[in-house]
Amino acid sequence: DTEVTQTPKHLVMGMTNKKSLKCEQHMGHRAMYWYKQKAKKPPELMFVYSYEKLSINESVPSRFSPECPNSSLLNLHLHALQPEDSALYLCASSQAGTEALRGYTFGSGTRLTVV
Amino acid sequence: QKEVEQNSGPLSVPEGAIASLNCTYSDRGSQSFFWYRQYSGKSPELIMFIYSNGDKEDGRFTAQLNKASQYVSLLIRDSQPSDSATYLCAVTPGGGSNYKLTFGKGTLLTVNP
Repeated sequence: DTEVTQTPKHLVMGMTNKKSLKCEQHMGHRAMYWYKQKAKKPPELMFVYSYEKLSINESVPSRFSPECPNSSLLNLHLHALQPEDSALYLCASSQAGTEALRGYTFGSGTRLTVV
Repeated sequence: QKEVEQNSGPLSVPEGAIASLNCTYSDRGSQSFFWYRQYSGKSPELIMFIYSNGDKEDGRFTAQLNKASQYVSLLIRDSQPSDSATYLCAVTPGGGSNYKLTFGKGTLLTVNP
């Protein structure tokens, strides 16, 4: 079992819906990440939170809104998505600072389909 | 544009053979290097990381790093059918964030019984 838990595992939403993806880790990590992965492509970084503050936003459209309520939780709020946003959304966590260079742990992902 | 290139594959080896996966990177200042395994429909799983030149062994897996040649490889000894997956090479950039990983496109490995 992964130590990074993502819910839901599958989500189908319409283009006018608002939904949220949730991620939780209890490894004491202080950096958390959202990645997007399309079929047969590598993961693409979307956002990084370090010590609960947004550290990196890779020019992601505003229809994706991240939130880090505390050191264990990471949310991704979705609104007015497009069908091309359908993908596997991966949460990850790692130690912060130079310890992040040891790599991070991915959650099992949320497979999102926008209809 | 900092790039990570992997041998395109797919790579097919018989059970018990050595599988060799290769990766080159363009950013000479890159600091840490990772190999992730991803089964179809699943999330990536960290197999190994390496940051010093030379070899690092963990069970049947050996990562090799040559910074002068900007080359990192993963050897899988005694390959098993359960090793069949896509292997992603990932690199942290030099001179900046520890948090950004640049992934290669992955190599699909099939181990035939």
